[in-house]
Amino acid sequence: EAGVAQSPRYKIIEKRQSVAFWCNPISGHATLYWYQQILGQGPKLLIQFQNNGVVDDSQLPKDRFSAERLKGVDSTLKIQPAKLEDSAVYLCASSLGGGKGDTQYFGPGTRLTVL
Amino acid sequence: DAKTTQPPSMDCAEGRAANLPCNHSTISGNEYVYWYRQIHSQGPQYIIHGLKNNETNEMASLIITEDRKSSTLILPHATLRDTAVYYCIVDSARGKLIFGQGTELSVKP
Repeated sequence: EAGVAQSPRYKIIEKRQSVAFWCNPISGHATLYWYQQILGQGPKLLIQFQNNGVVDDSQLPKDRFSAERLKGVDSTLKIQPAKLEDSAVYLCASSLGGGKGDTQYFGPGTRLTVL
Repeated sequence: DAKTTQPPSMDCAEGRAANLPCNHSTISGNEYVYWYRQIHSQGPQYIIHGLKNNETNEMASLIITEDRKSSTLILPHATLRDTAVYYCIVDSARGKLIFGQGTELSVKP
């Protein structure tokens, strides 16, 4: 079974530029998550989708971050404009149903460096 | 959301059992305990989870105390490849996982 795929693996941009990350979840998984992991910290949930609807985006900085999952499968996370403090690893995860007791499986992440 | 407390670091000799403790004294009756690990530069890897009973799989065993206020992850025969940060997490509403700082496990030859 293929795992969660993410691209690109690495990205370097200047501050105030825009950037987009892509995620393809495990086939059949209805729930998709985006996390941000700053160096030395645990991952922090940014947004959770159930199919193509948003379940939780309370931690997403909506003035600069946006995410979509239009067809309920792939998802993109965008930052526009980027700030220095956005340097982090962006992790995508998916789970079958998204409820209690369900298991999230993580992709390898995209490492973003903002200069 | 129930919080967890873990020691920041632990050492273990290769071939010995690694026992990683976790406190979750504010856990609710329907909240699961999850363990993930993260090897350097990789995404978190699921290890095991449980509600009330002890659980075992091919990677590890999870021992949950009767009052559910603490748990222990056991890696029965640690290898150098088990060196990683181990996260103990209690899921919250809608299965949300809130990661803490975790325990950095170093397996030494």
